[in-house]
Amino acid sequence: DIQMTQSPSSLSASVGDRVTITCRARQTISNYLNWYQQRPGKAPKLLIYAASSLQSGVPSRFSGSGSGTDFTLTISSLQPEDFATYYCQQSYSTQYTFGQGTKLEIK
Amino acid sequence: EVQLVESGGGFVRPGGSLRLSCTTSGFTFRNYAMHWVRQGTGKGLEWVSAIGSPGDTYYSDSVKGRFTISREDAKNSFYLQMNSLRAGDTGVYYCARGDHDFGNYYFDYWGQGSLVTVSS
Repeated sequence: DIQMTQSPSSLSASVGDRVTITCRARQTISNYLNWYQQRPGKAPKLLIYAASSLQSGVPSRFSGSGSGTDFTLTISSLQPEDFATYYCQQSYSTQYTFGQGTKLEIK
Repeated sequence: EVQLVESGGGFVRPGGSLRLSCTTSGFTFRNYAMHWVRQGTGKGLEWVSAIGSPGDTYYSDSVKGRFTISREDAKNSFYLQMNSLRAGDTGVYYCARGDHDFGNYYFDYWGQGSLVTVSS
């Protein structure tokens, strides 16, 4: 299986801050990387697919970048509804794997 | 509006069986791969199984040989038969629609989740 490692595991920030979350793959995965947001008690929601493509209906303050083994999710100006847990997921292998999650909390 | 609704979760003893169902609406079901993803209590997401539109199946190593995924296009539904259940299988099971973009596969719509508890 391709191991995905996110950093940090948790992060405290304030409304209006710019935040970056990193996801690293143990082997190259081209751009086969997706990002999800999960609020407490809710199903995950797709934010970014193919490393940098914004899913329809997702606010433009979310952006993704990277290729190969290193990827980032950036939120340009945090809003109250953005405090949630974020997961990366690779699809280079059909044994799809997720990162362990990054919990974004209010400072 | 795309909707996915899980059912069939519950409490079962170790070694027992459960069958999860996911009923969908709002899209042409037969054209899409469908997935099961689970989440242990307080834990992260774990992909479990997938079934392609032609019916090809895929499983994580942790459930291979114990779980069986199937689909019924006439009912816009798919299923997860779970046998030989273990305590480690406990969690919320989400059904999800799969889509792709030039070889990259992602889960673009999700159900609300169904809780499976395996305990003695």
